Amino acid sequence: EIVLTQSPGTLSLSPGERATLSCRASQSVSSSYLAWYQQKPGQAPRLLIYGASSRATGIPDRFSGSGSGTDFTLTISRLEPEDFAVYYCQHQGTFGQGTKVEIK
Amino acid sequence: QVQLQESGPGLVKPSQTLSLTCTVSGGSISSGGYYWSWIRQHPGKGLEWIGYIYYSGSTYYNPSLKSRVTISVDTSKNQFSLKLSSVTAADTAVYYCARDRRYCSGGSCVTWGMDVWGQGTTVTVSS
Repeated sequence: EIVLTQSPGTLSLSPGERATLSCRASQSVSSSYLAWYQQKPGQAPRLLIYGASSRATGIPDRFSGSGSGTDFTLTISRLEPEDFAVYYCQHQGTFGQGTKVEIK
Repeated sequence: QVQLQESGPGLVKPSQTLSLTCTVSGGSISSGGYYWSWIRQHPGKGLEWIGYIYYSGSTYYNPSLKSRVTISVDTSKNQFSLKLSSVTAADTAVYYCARDRRYCSGGSCVTWGMDVWGQGTTVTVSS
């Protein structure tokens, strides 16, 4: 069973700063199946990235994904106020535990 | 655009069966190219994938829940459903349905992620 470990658990940043979120798989996985989601309180998750690096429809280009094998990264180039949320990586039927991006 | 809406009882007694339905609007569940998923989120916790179904009836379940889960589809009603048997307090969660865009052939798949989600419905297991 593949385990996805996200780090850090919480990221405290200011608007305008760069956010770098990590997702590490317990074994090498296909990047084709690696997705990232954003979830705000009381809302359903929203698809940001699929195939490790492809932005979903309507997602701003400040969001980017990269990585392969066991190490994947979600980068938010310049944080906007609406970007403060919890982010999850997913591979097939497994989700990471999430990274909370909070306002510093 | 496609929208999903979960429905079902918000309170289920321990040992009983949890039953939820997801109604698809704005598109056909039979159009192909999509797998229809259930995901849950325990209070204050992360996401747990439960399983998905194709309009043809093919299913795949999370191995940790497989013995208790049944997902079915009713193409005439444009709905798919979740049944989770023998529930306990540990099954208390927000349950989401979602559309998983993927193409599978010869045992391998390409996926474009879960791009449409319902708003979620809270289910509490309590006597």
